[in-house]
Amino acid sequence: QSALTQPASVSGSPGQSITISCTGTSSDVGGYNYVSWYQQHPGKAPKLVIYDVSNRPSGISNRFSGSKSGNTASLTISGLQAEDETDYYCSSYTSSSTLVFGGGTKLTVL
Amino acid sequence: EVQLVESGGGLVQPGGSLRLSCAASGFTFSSYWMHWVRQAPGKGLVWVSRIYSDGSSTNYADSVKGRFTISRDNAKNTLYLQMNSLRAEDTAVYYCARGSSVREDYWGQGTLVTVSS
Repeated sequence: QSALTQPASVSGSPGQSITISCTGTSSDVGGYNYVSWYQQHPGKAPKLVIYDVSNRPSGISNRFSGSKSGNTASLTISGLQAEDETDYYCSSYTSSSTLVFGGGTKLTVL
Repeated sequence: EVQLVESGGGLVQPGGSLRLSCAASGFTFSSYWMHWVRQAPGKGLVWVSRIYSDGSSTNYADSVKGRFTISRDNAKNTLYLQMNSLRAEDTAVYYCARGSSVREDYWGQGTLVTVSS
């Protein structure tokens, strides 16, 4: 149950787009279309922003989008806003009937 | 409105036990998978355990298997996590979360467990 691999940090300017990657194996990310992405502000509970690779929950801005290729999933945030600056985590279902999270990525809006 | 309120956290000595509770409201508790996820201070999220809607199926992370037990009381709309043989590395904020078998969609605010002598 090794954690999925995310970059520790990414940054972008307001209005730009950024992409956060999430790399796993064929036993998790690559084997299932069950990748989720969560946004977590400091001291707050995580919030689901993408599920099943590319679906947005009700109320989530269409600036958030997700995709997957092989063992790597990606979260793209377009039209960056100051409020997007926080931590993001990916998660995947695994072949062991468990879930696994990535190590998290800190997004800085310059 | 979905609400999940965790309780039961606190300071416990290594080797000790603690039972966390999560009171659910605002949705049909008995229809959902429930999960526990933890986050050590300043660290990332780590999935701990999940339980099927009727309690008939459970799964655990390797790091807690044999020490932690997840359970639920659908009559009381409450999720539990019994934690035994606690270690310093179990120190974390523990979140309960509603979801499906493959994700969490609503999270509580968490309860802090500190394992220290």
